[in-house]
Amino acid sequence: QLQLQESGPGLVKPSETLSLTCNVSGGSISSSGYYWGWIRQPPGKGLEWIGSIYYSGSTFYKPSLKSRVTISADTSKNQFSLRLNSVTAADTAVYYCARRIDSSSWTFDYWGQGTLVTVSS
Amino acid sequence: DIQMTQSPSSLSASVGDRVTITCRASQSISSYLNWYQQKPGKAPKLLIYVASSLQSGVPSRFSGSGSGTDFTLTISGLQPEDIATYYCQQSYITPPAFGQGTKVEI
Repeated sequence: QLQLQESGPGLVKPSETLSLTCNVSGGSISSSGYYWGWIRQPPGKGLEWIGSIYYSGSTFYKPSLKSRVTISADTSKNQFSLRLNSVTAADTAVYYCARRIDSSSWTFDYWGQGTLVTVSS
Repeated sequence: DIQMTQSPSSLSASVGDRVTITCRASQSISSYLNWYQQKPGKAPKLLIYVASSLQSGVPSRFSGSGSGTDFTLTISGLQPEDIATYYCQQSYITPPAFGQGTKVEI
């Protein structure tokens, strides 16, 4: 059974960089056809896709976040990571990692449990 | 970007009721529409993909329909465990986008 688990600091100061890692078990991020990405949810609000990566390094980012986001993958550790720089209070959210089911549509079939990141001094 | 609009934002129903949630896309997305269920404190769970295909393990009381810009999620016989917020999501083009959610209460 595929499992995804987010990890990283729960508190980040304004203007600093948010860094999270998603560890994947029960399957390989190098498996052909799957993309791995990040989706966030501010407290009490809806879901926002941030970006996704293919194991080869090909990335897709939400245009409005693209200038601040970097997603990378480490196939040797079977994990992928998110870096979001110059954070503000608006970046406070539960961050989920998720698998895109295939390359034909943006459908997310496996999700991590989520991790709350608060941006505050 | 494609905008997704759900209605209603919330609803209250009784056990056994038929519940319908609608989702409208700002432009045609063919059948590239997914539905997710999110329970409090949990990650979203994929219920339906490409508008009407039931994800493995999802009860058959959930169904989806629609194409183009207008879509519907139906729960035929609401159960207590169906209390959750439901999100539609267009999977047609980048960036994928979610509706604002519909909270279902009993």
